[in-house]
Amino acid sequence: GEDVEQSLFLSVREGDSSVINCTYTDSSSTYLYWYKQEPGAGLQLLTYIFSNMDMKQDQRLTVLLNKKDKHLSLRIADTQTGDSAIYFCAPVSGNTGKLIFGQGTTLQVKP
Amino acid sequence: DTAVSQTPKYLVTQMGNDKSIKCEQNLGHDTMYWYKQDSKKFLKIMFSYNNKELIINETVPNRFSPKSPDKAHLNLHINSLELGDSAVYFCASSHVQTRTEAFFGQGTRLTVV
Repeated sequence: GEDVEQSLFLSVREGDSSVINCTYTDSSSTYLYWYKQEPGAGLQLLTYIFSNMDMKQDQRLTVLLNKKDKHLSLRIADTQTGDSAIYFCAPVSGNTGKLIFGQGTTLQVKP
Repeated sequence: DTAVSQTPKYLVTQMGNDKSIKCEQNLGHDTMYWYKQDSKKFLKIMFSYNNKELIINETVPNRFSPKSPDKAHLNLHINSLELGDSAVYFCASSHVQTRTEAFFGQGTRLTVV
């Protein structure tokens, strides 16, 4: 089946790096997204990676993909209090654009 | 100039009522979706329409009926509302052919009392 798992909570200090991990089961996912959800808001796309890539860097964000282990991670450098939110990894399933989500990881950034 | 807009943002209603949530996108996308987010923040797809044709229909009670009058609109009608339907419902759209990312609306918080 299709499943995504993330740890539920991560707490870091402002200025530190944050690493949010994700495992998924659908090996046919051709691209994988990271979304951010702030309280009471919708989902905002942060970044994505194609399944034929190992790494993608986008300013403070670094995405690592281990396709063999079906493991995806998001590293946020120099984490700021404004980064506090829920982060969802979302592989795309099949060719319908359907996103598979889990419960997300709540990132708490302490000043 | 909102890309994906849903109305209403909040909806409080009694059990047994029928209600609708509307969604519109102005991005020219060919595919629209409804997702449900429960109280534990778990997000799951409910339906998807591609060019007005239903392409995804997950195991959702048939009290939920999506309707897509055109490519830019996807509405969700819910009959005989139950307490367990309380959740945040998100509309999204994407262009599947060109594999653009999905854009989400702000969500509709439905509370059934």
